[in-house]
Amino acid sequence: EPEVTQTPSHQVTQMGQEVILRCVPISNHLYFYWYRQILGQKVEFLVSFYNNEISEKSEIFDDQFSVERPDGSNFTLKIRSTKLEDSAMYFCASSSSGTGFAGELFFGEGSRLTVL
Amino acid sequence: SQQGEEDPQALSIQEGENATMNCSYKTSINNLQWYRQNSGRGLVHLILIRSNEREKHSGRLRVTLDTSKKSSSLLITASRAADTASYFCATDRRLGGGADGLTFGKGTHLIIQP
Repeated sequence: EPEVTQTPSHQVTQMGQEVILRCVPISNHLYFYWYRQILGQKVEFLVSFYNNEISEKSEIFDDQFSVERPDGSNFTLKIRSTKLEDSAMYFCASSSSGTGFAGELFFGEGSRLTVL
Repeated sequence: SQQGEEDPQALSIQEGENATMNCSYKTSINNLQWYRQNSGRGLVHLILIRSNEREKHSGRLRVTLDTSKKSSSLLITASRAADTASYFCATDRRLGGGADGLTFGKGTHLIIQP
């Protein structure tokens, strides 16, 4: 069964460093998303991406963050100059249609980021 | 505005009993979805109910939607230990949907006691 894959599963970094989280969405999907979940808290929307551009971003997704689809398969989230409060589980998701229609999101297993 | 607030925050029941979780939301929706998350894992889609539907079934899951009260419930019948997880409701970030993703609630943590 097709699945969303994320790497790395866990990354530890020093405050101020840059990290790149990678995702391979399901191959025929067109919509891509990043969410984050701070331990024990709700799943928060960061950004959605469609047709090679950002569709929407939340207030969390400030200039520190960027996304890219460098080729036909990967979807990356870059966090520049990480802060302690960026420590969280980051989830990539993809869908074949917009959420107003079929709507189901397929999530990866997440990348746990720990900022020291 | 805060969409998708589930209650209770935590629920512990005996195996074989039914588990009911509720979700309330504030604005109009296209559809409402329920997801499950096992500890430390990704979210898994369970069921989607459209705004013009009132009830939907999938296996041991039954979802209801009351748009007049802006609420939904998820019922898991004949619970099993493997149902232990957190359950989230989710709605479109915007009524038009499209590429804007979903807003998730805080979730109900369900524990099934063997």
